[in-house]
Amino acid sequence: DAMVIQNPRYQVTQFGKPVTLSCSQTLNHNVMYWYQQKSSQAPKLLFHYYDKDFNNEADTPDNFQSRRPNTSFCFLDIRSPGLGDAAMYLCATSSTLAYSYEQYFGPGTRLTVT
Amino acid sequence: TQLLEQSPQFLSIQEGENLTVYCNSSSVFSSLQWYRQEPGEGPVLLVTVVTGGEVKKLKRLTFQFGDARKDSSLHITAAQPGDTGLYLCAGAYNTNAGKSTFGDGTTLTVKP
Repeated sequence: DAMVIQNPRYQVTQFGKPVTLSCSQTLNHNVMYWYQQKSSQAPKLLFHYYDKDFNNEADTPDNFQSRRPNTSFCFLDIRSPGLGDAAMYLCATSSTLAYSYEQYFGPGTRLTVT
Repeated sequence: TQLLEQSPQFLSIQEGENLTVYCNSSSVFSSLQWYRQEPGEGPVLLVTVVTGGEVKKLKRLTFQFGDARKDSSLHITAAQPGDTGLYLCAGAYNTNAGKSTFGDGTTLTVKP
């Protein structure tokens, strides 16, 4: 089945130690998103790729970076994680060919910062 | 900035009761999605509505898109404990470079 895969599901890192989260998709969607979600809150968009074009949200800290080496893969790099960065990180995809813009989410990576 | 107001924020009901969740905006959307998210998992798409006045049913769930495509509602009939989760609405524009605007979510708890 076509899907969005996130690895790892759980990640523990130390304060200040760089960490990379990965996302892959078999849907062949041209848009990929990274969201941060804290407990019982709505997902907060960090940035997204529209094809190869990177779109950063104005309030996304510089500590967060992203790479999309090809259509299928997207990475979230947190350069110096702080305790406040502990959260669920969600990857999602959508296709602009499907005019509805519905998004398909991965299962998320739960990041713990110690 | 397009805003999507979702209400109520929290809802705790007994099994068998009915409930409605609302999603309102002053902006017109090209389409609107409803998602359900269970703890520790990613949101799962429930439905997409695209036509003003559209009504879609998914078993005990009824979704309606407002005539002006600015608002939507989700009605659950005879709620069950398995309906427990975070419900999110999201509005999309075909000119917004692939972005959607999410509501703040409704946390639903259905007690047996």
